[in-house]
Amino acid sequence: GENVEQHPSTLSVQEGDSAVIKCTYSDSASNYFPWYKQELGKRPQLIIDIRSNVGEKKDQRIAVTLNKTAKHFSLHITETQPEDSAVYFCAARLYNNNDMRFGAGTRLTVKP
Amino acid sequence: DTGVSQDPRHKITKRGQNVTFRCDPISEHNRLYWYRQTLGQGPEFLTYFQNEAQLEKSRLLSDRFSAERPKGSFSTLEIQRTEQGDSAMYLCASSSTGVPEFFGPGTRLTVL
Repeated sequence: GENVEQHPSTLSVQEGDSAVIKCTYSDSASNYFPWYKQELGKRPQLIIDIRSNVGEKKDQRIAVTLNKTAKHFSLHITETQPEDSAVYFCAARLYNNNDMRFGAGTRLTVKP
Repeated sequence: DTGVSQDPRHKITKRGQNVTFRCDPISEHNRLYWYRQTLGQGPEFLTYFQNEAQLEKSRLLSDRFSAERPKGSFSTLEIQRTEQGDSAMYLCASSSTGVPEFFGPGTRLTVL
């Protein structure tokens, strides 16, 4: 089955700096890669996703890139703000399969 | 509140007891997912429903776990003969697409 690895496990940046979180996946048949944000004590929220037929997707300050050959994808947050502080999870889903595998999460802290 | 709701929010039980959790998805969503999340980890897929049909079930799910969605609306997850290793946050998510978009607040289970 699919295996998703995520790093770093913790990331601390200064407000206004950029943050990058990277994930790798094992199964080349995976075709959908979402990212979730989970604030302390709250539910995960889908913030951006990318499909395997696209190399990059951007939504305001967040962007996701996908390298299918290397089987890795990344979340980029620019101009970070304290409210970006949360745990971010990447995930990967095999084509036509609902068993989506999550990474272990990255705790992002944005210092004011 | 038109989001996903779960009940109860917290459950403390003794080892060996049975517990049942309920999830009410967003009303127009035909897809419903159950996940389990332990501290410091990403959500782990348990099972998936499309309407009332349970289409996928994790191989990691023991036969002590059962889920239903009898009328294609709310769903229940039952754990029989609970074990301490079952202690976790149980998350429900719903969507109208092929991925879990909207998560509920979760049911935190503690098995003593």
